[in-house]
Amino acid sequence: KQEVTQIPAALSVPEGENLVLNCSFTDSAIYNLQWFRQDPGKGLTSLLLIQSSQREQTSGRLNASLDKSSGRSTLYIAASQPGDSATYLCAVDNFNKFYFGSGTKLNVKP
Amino acid sequence: DTAVSQTPKYLVTQMGNDKSIKCEQNLGHDTMYWYKQDSKKFLKIMFSYNNKELIINETVPNRFSPKSPDKAHLNLHINSLELGDSAVYFCASSQDDQGSNYGYTFGSGTRLTVV
Repeated sequence: KQEVTQIPAALSVPEGENLVLNCSFTDSAIYNLQWFRQDPGKGLTSLLLIQSSQREQTSGRLNASLDKSSGRSTLYIAASQPGDSATYLCAVDNFNKFYFGSGTKLNVKP
Repeated sequence: DTAVSQTPKYLVTQMGNDKSIKCEQNLGHDTMYWYKQDSKKFLKIMFSYNNKELIINETVPNRFSPKSPDKAHLNLHINSLELGDSAVYFCASSQDDQGSNYGYTFGSGTRLTVV
């Protein structure tokens, strides 16, 4: 069974810092990997999606990488802002069956 | 023993029809969600119910109406189906409306094709 792990569980940084969130998974036979942002009461917002054949995706200040063979993905956030405070989840898609990591709770201090 | 189950798995229907997708969870979760996955595989939230009360209602056509008869069920009714409604629809549940990391569970999806 697929297991997804995210490190760290929580992170607190001052505004303006660049940061990296990590995600690892045990079964490399994935369809794609997604990074989500979770805000209380608002469900999930999909941030970046990397297909299994891709290595990297970028959107604004966010950059996600995928190394399928080693079962790792990272989410890089540049120049963090207080509005980035949320829980970040990675999820692997084993053909429409989503396995989520436990998330990294990010707090960006003004 | 499926935690979040959606039916049907596949649904092919003609434009103009009315259809429903059912979702049930046996996890005892308080909150249930409907997501639409677009052609780029992005998941977008449509609705969220907490204990049978609507708490999230994103901008979706009013042809889409959720119905929650009890907290274990959240059904999605779609009237006057259009070609653009073709997508995969995911139901999910969580332990509370904070979307607890350990309690967030997705169904396997319903692939809707409108022809």
